Amino acid sequence: EVQLVQSGGDLVQPGGSLRLSCVASGFTFSSYRMNWVRQAPGRGLEWLSYIDGSGYYISYADSAEGRFTISRDNAKSSLYLQMNSLTAEDTAVYYCARDGFGESDFDNWGQGTLVTVSP
Amino acid sequence: EVVLTQSPDFQSVTPKEKVTITCRASQNIGTTLHWYQQKPDQSPKLLIKYASQSFSGVPSRFSGSGSGTDFTLTINSLEADDAATYYCHQSSTLPYTFGQGTKLEIK
Repeated sequence: EVQLVQSGGDLVQPGGSLRLSCVASGFTFSSYRMNWVRQAPGRGLEWLSYIDGSGYYISYADSAEGRFTISRDNAKSSLYLQMNSLTAEDTAVYYCARDGFGESDFDNWGQGTLVTVSP
Repeated sequence: EVVLTQSPDFQSVTPKEKVTITCRASQNIGTTLHWYQQKPDQSPKLLIKYASQSFSGVPSRFSGSGSGTDFTLTINSLEADDAATYYCHQSSTLPYTFGQGTKLEIK
């Protein structure tokens, strides 16, 4: 069974940093592209970033470019999102999501982790 | 950026009704359009990929159609368990984008 277990969400002050984690199991992690998607309270879904299986190809949404860094450790079957210079607008539930094999739909999602940016 | 516009934003429906949700893209995206269901306090779940391909384990009452700029998610014989918000998502062009969501209420 595919599982994506997330951690790292917390209350952080404006300007602060946070690192989110997503540990995968039930599939060959290195064979899949992975994504981060967020959802602000009461709002819709926003794609933030993806990273391919090798970790070589990476893309970011404008809202994440320059402040957020996606990475992965295939030996640990883990995906990360390092978030810096956080503002109140970054308050959201953050999801990791797996691409379908060789495809670009998001076929499995983590449970989400809440990031709250507040003084 | 490809803008996806869903309609309606909200719909109140009775069980056994047929429901149609549309998603219009601001430019041609072929069939790289996917549909998700999100229930309150849960993660989104994939329903339909590439416009019309049902994802494994999804009930057959869910179907998708369309290509280019106009797409449709159809739910036949609605059940109470289908109360949720539905999102379309395009992966044709970076940045990937989602529609604003359609909330279905079951009467």
